[in-house]
Amino acid sequence: DAKTTQPPSMDCAEGRAANLPCNHSTISGNEYVYWYRQIHSQGPQYIIHGLKNNETNEMASLIITEDRKSSTLILPHATLRDTAVYYCIVRILQGGKLIFGQGTELSVKP
Amino acid sequence: DAGVIQSPRHEVTEMGQEVTLRCKPISGHNSLFWYRQTMMRGLELLIYFNNNVPIDDSGMPEDRFSAKMPNASFSTLKIQPSEPRDSAVYFCASSPQTGGYEKLFFGSGTQLSVL
Repeated sequence: DAKTTQPPSMDCAEGRAANLPCNHSTISGNEYVYWYRQIHSQGPQYIIHGLKNNETNEMASLIITEDRKSSTLILPHATLRDTAVYYCIVRILQGGKLIFGQGTELSVKP
Repeated sequence: DAGVIQSPRHEVTEMGQEVTLRCKPISGHNSLFWYRQTMMRGLELLIYFNNNVPIDDSGMPEDRFSAKMPNASFSTLKIQPSEPRDSAVYFCASSPQTGGYEKLFFGSGTQLSVL
């Protein structure tokens, strides 16, 4: 599976959009981009995934660049409850192992 | 749905003792994963099963660790004998096989302390 690079930490003001970047320059054509988050003391939680088109669900939006070498997770109106470690992972759809990196620790501040 | 259920929530044991962690996946899910999390190493995939069959156990640290899935609704991770360096949070996750493993659902984890 391709490696990803994320900033170790970010701050965001409550109510503002949180934009979390991820670089995956060695991604293969059959690899998807997944985002999970882990709130302190809980198990990781699935957020969203995509291949090459932008995706949106009730939690977030995922923007993938045209060359697929990077992506951005957008939390449109961050709340204090969005404070967590966010993991960007690339893996093939079928049978690929979900390997977590170090993630980005997002702190949403009042 | 109750989600993935892990037990116990916390386990404190002494070095050399056998430890058994338990997991009940979400009903209807075909795949089950065991992860370990420490500050030093982050989240590590230990082993995963598909339709109760172990597919990849390359993450199991050594022979002291073993995992079983006797049926679709139950899995165990056993450590024998346990050592202080096994102290970690152990997570179980399950996934529906809808043409792939798109979404993993994680349990609340078992906090293991080996003294």
